[in-house]
Order: sequence, then structure tokens, then C-alpha cells
Amino acid sequence: DVVMTQSPLSLPVTLGQPASISCRSGQSLVYSDGNTYLNWFQQRPGQSPRRLIYKVSNRDSGVPDRFSGSGSGTDFTLKISRVEAEDAGVYYCMQATHWPFTFGPGTRVDLK
Amino acid sequence: EVQLVESGGGLVQPGGSLRLSCAASGFTFSNYYMSWVRQVPGKGLEWVANLNPDGSDKNYADSVKGRLTISRDNAKNSVYLQMNSLRAEDTAVYYCTRGGGHTWGQGTLVTVSS
Repeated sequence: DVVMTQSPLSLPVTLGQPASISCRSGQSLVYSDGNTYLNWFQQRPGQSPRRLIYKVSNRDSGVPDRFSGSGSGTDFTLKISRVEAEDAGVYYCMQATHWPFTFGPGTRVDLK
Repeated sequence: EVQLVESGGGLVQPGGSLRLSCAASGFTFSNYYMSWVRQVPGKGLEWVANLNPDGSDKNYADSVKGRLTISRDNAKNSVYLQMNSLRAEDTAVYYCTRGGGHTWGQGTLVTVSS
């Protein structure tokens, strides 16, 4: 299985300040079709996960543009340009290139 | 509006069976891969199984292979998870999801305990 790691696992943030989460995979996530199937999810307390970013850098419909994804190969980053109160929760990266699909352990984002 | 609604969770004894259902609406169901993902309360996410649009290709996590079976009925816009030989470690919230996690249901809790 492809192991996904995230850092940090806990991220205290200040409203209005930027935040960044790193995700690394144990092997390249480039699929045979040339796409890289790396997604980012947000899970607010008591809610189902919500996809924010697909294929590294594509924002899902309705996702604020303060969220951005970048990276390639095995190293990926989720950035929040200016943190808002509603951004508190757990963020997961997930690879859908190799079966079984696997998630990172999650990064808990809390407001200071 | 794209919507997924799971049902069928509950308390079951070890070794028992349960069938989860997920009703889809708001999109052309027969065009999409469908999956089940589970989450032990307070813990991370595990992708359990997925199924291609016509139901001919199924994939399972090793932890559930041979015990859980994913299926779909495109005429009813529904996907199912038949769960047999359940173990305590199968206790989790089970989510139905479309494609690579585009849309998620609210989840249904399965508790395996005597």
C-alpha cells in the first residue's frame, strides 16, 4: 500500500494568517495516463469529509480561492492564504493513483 | 443537488451480517464509480471498496476482502455494502462516496459488539 504522511499533524493558526500542510507519498502518484491523483479533504467537527482539491491543484466547486494545492511526484502542499474561523478541522491528503486508495493521517487545524 | 444518503447501520454481534445502502440523487448515477469509505470514530479514514459504473470491476481493501461485498443497482440509483463475518475492528462510520471523493453521504454507524 502507498503510505501517505502529513506534517504537521497539529497546526495552530491565527485568523487572517496563512497556513500550509505538507503531504508526502511513499511512491510516485503519477498514473499511466499522466495525471496525478492526489486529493485534499477537509473534515469539520461532526461533519462528513468534503473534497477541496483534486488532481493536485484543482479546486472543487464552491471551495474558496484561499485554498490552493501544489506539488508533483511524491511531495504535495495545501495552502490556506488567509485562515478564517470556518477552516478549523482536520485536513487529509489522499491518493487515488494506486489501489488501495490511501489517506494521510490528517492534520488538525485549530485557531489560536 | 447531488446527494448521497446511507442507511442500514446498527449494532451487530461479532460474526454477524449487515447490509448498508446508499441512495443517490442529483446526478447520472450510472456514469460514476462509487465507493465506501469508513472511519473509526475519532480516527482517520480508510477506503474500503469501489465499483465501476456498470458493476463489473470491484476493488477491496485487504482488511475486508472476502467478507465485504460492494454492489450497485443502476435502475434504483443505489450502491450497497454487504458485510459478513463482522469483527469488532469493523466498527466505524461508513460513508458512501462518488468517484474520487467528490460527494459524501452523512455516514451510517456500524457497531460490532456482543
